Parts: sequence; C-alpha cells; structure tokens
Amino acid sequence: EAQVTQNPRYLITVTGKKLTVTCSQNMNHEYMSWYRQDPGLGLRQIYYSMNVEVTDKGDVPEGYKVSRKEKRNFPLILESPSPNQTSLYFCASSFGQGADSPLHFGNGTRLTVT
Amino acid sequence: AQSVTQPDIHITVSEGASLELRCNYSYGATPYLFWYVQSPGQGLQLLLKYFSGDTLVQGIKGFEAEFKRSQSSFNLRKPSVHWSDAAEYFCAVDIFGNEKLTFGTGTRLTIIP
Repeated sequence: EAQVTQNPRYLITVTGKKLTVTCSQNMNHEYMSWYRQDPGLGLRQIYYSMNVEVTDKGDVPEGYKVSRKEKRNFPLILESPSPNQTSLYFCASSFGQGADSPLHFGNGTRLTVT
Repeated sequence: AQSVTQPDIHITVSEGASLELRCNYSYGATPYLFWYVQSPGQGLQLLLKYFSGDTLVQGIKGFEAEFKRSQSSFNLRKPSVHWSDAAEYFCAVDIFGNEKLTFGTGTRLTIIP
C-alpha cells in the first residue's frame, strides 16, 4: 500500500532533550516536506526537500533540522525542543512534478514539550 | 501580503443539506488551488484541485469547487452532506507550481442528524 509513515504518533518530551521524528514513503517520491499544524494557524511548512541531499527552509524553520540521505526517508530533528514546538506535525511527499502531483500526507505526530 | 483565507472557522450542517465552504486568496496571478480534508486523527487527503480550464472542478466523495477569478475565490460545495463528511477542510494554494503549498486556517464541519 502506498503510504507516508511517520513515527512516533505521539511523543511527550522535556525541554532541551533532542528528538527525531521519522518519515518514510514507499512511492519513490522525489519531493518531501514537513508541516506543523496549530489551532487557528492551519499548516505551515517547516522544511522541504526536492531530492536526495537537497533541502531548503520553509516558512517556520527555526529550531528544526532535516536530512535527506535516502530518497525514502526525511527525518525531522529537534536539537533542543522548547514548549513552543508543541504541535501536530505532518510529513508529506509527492513526485515533485509541479502542482500536477498531489501531496500525500502521513497521519501526523503529536508532540508535547514540557 | 499573499494569503489564503477561510472565513468560517466552524460550520454546522444537517445531514442531507447542501454545503458550501468558502476560500479566498490574495495573489497577483491565479495560483494552483486545492481542497484537502482531514478526518480526526488522520493526515490530509486531497479532495480536488484546479490548475486551469473549466472553472468547475469535480473531486472525490461527491465534492466540487468553483474557481471565480473575479472574486479570487475557490469555494467547495456538496449538494447533500453525509455524517461521514464531518471533518476539517483546508483550502491551499501553490503559486509557483513547485509543491510549496500555503494553507488556509481550516474550516471544521459538524454534521447534525
């Protein structure tokens, strides 16, 4: 089954403790992206990647890192999480052929930073 | 500033009634336009998209949307809603065709019997 898989689904952590949220897709998509969803703000893009070893900042990249060493994986790294990063995070992927290639979303990771 | 506006935060509709969710954008040119649905605990699923051509677009689950250039709008409609349509709906635009979507703040739809 074609899908975008994020892990974990739920994560509670403390301020400053490094964490990684994994994202994997099995559709051979070139484009991958991370979004955060907050009430009243919709989804905002954190980082995106057009291909292996090619990443770029989205609208809210501060406090986050990403890497794209393999085509299928696009982990999101929080080196020193803070409470304002408490949010619902989504990974998405597509073939990257322009707007004709719709984004496929994972089921989300709900992160709480205390 | 460029933006996507969904003016209705929450809408309640009776099952079987018609539905219209509003979306307006403020860009100089016509962007690519999308509607996504998010069911509780799930990711976003694409309902429909508009690139060019016919301004009335058909999507999945019986939804359609109409692009109106003069009003910078892309409203989502369904003639008769079902209880399973209860979800949050997001309008999104892609102004460069490079996958970078800008989302509206969403409209939560509640269906009552």
